[in-house]
Amino acid sequence: QVRLQESGPGLVKPSQTLSLTCTVSGGSISSGDYYWNWLRQPPGKGLEWIGYIYYSGSTYYNPSLKSRLTLSVDTSKNQFSLRLTSVTAADTAVYYCARDRRLYYDSSGYYPDWGQGTLVTVSS
Amino acid sequence: EIVLTQSPGTLSLSPGERATLSCRASQSVTSSSLAWYRQKPGQAPRLLIYGASSRATDIPDRFSGSGSGTDFTLTISGLEPEDFAVYYCQQYGSSRTFGQGTKLEIK
Repeated sequence: QVRLQESGPGLVKPSQTLSLTCTVSGGSISSGDYYWNWLRQPPGKGLEWIGYIYYSGSTYYNPSLKSRLTLSVDTSKNQFSLRLTSVTAADTAVYYCARDRRLYYDSSGYYPDWGQGTLVTVSS
Repeated sequence: EIVLTQSPGTLSLSPGERATLSCRASQSVTSSSLAWYRQKPGQAPRLLIYGASSRATDIPDRFSGSGSGTDFTLTISGLEPEDFAVYYCQQYGSSRTFGQGTKLEIK
């Protein structure tokens, strides 16, 4: 059974860069069967999809975050990562990694498998 | 961007009762590309329904989804204690967006 685990700093200063990594175990990112996603949830609020990356490196970003966002993948480590620049307090959230199945050569778009989430606070 | 509006904001029911949750989209959702999730406090969301009406793996048949176009419904028949949580709808026909959630609480 697949396991996804987020890791990274829990505190980031305003205007700096937020960087997180998701380590996948129990399945290979290189299989090509899944898309690898990031989502977030501000404390007490709803969910927001951030973007996804495929093992080949192709990406699809939420338009509202696109100018500040970079997703990358390291198949040798079975990890994928998020980098969000110029953060503000509005970026404070629990960040989740999740996977969705490749269906008809595209992302299925729904998420049966999630990491436990990691809280990132943006504060000086 | 497709905006999803869930109603009611909070639903108060007793165990064993039937719950009906609504999700309305600001424009038609392509190919019924709508999912429902349940989220308990401190946990990641769990997928319940995809494709508007298909149950995810290991989801009991007391959960059912229906609807198309702009109006979708999640019905939970015979509420169990673990069902009292927050529920989110999500569309994936045009990018991906979530509703603001419905909190199902014990009456």
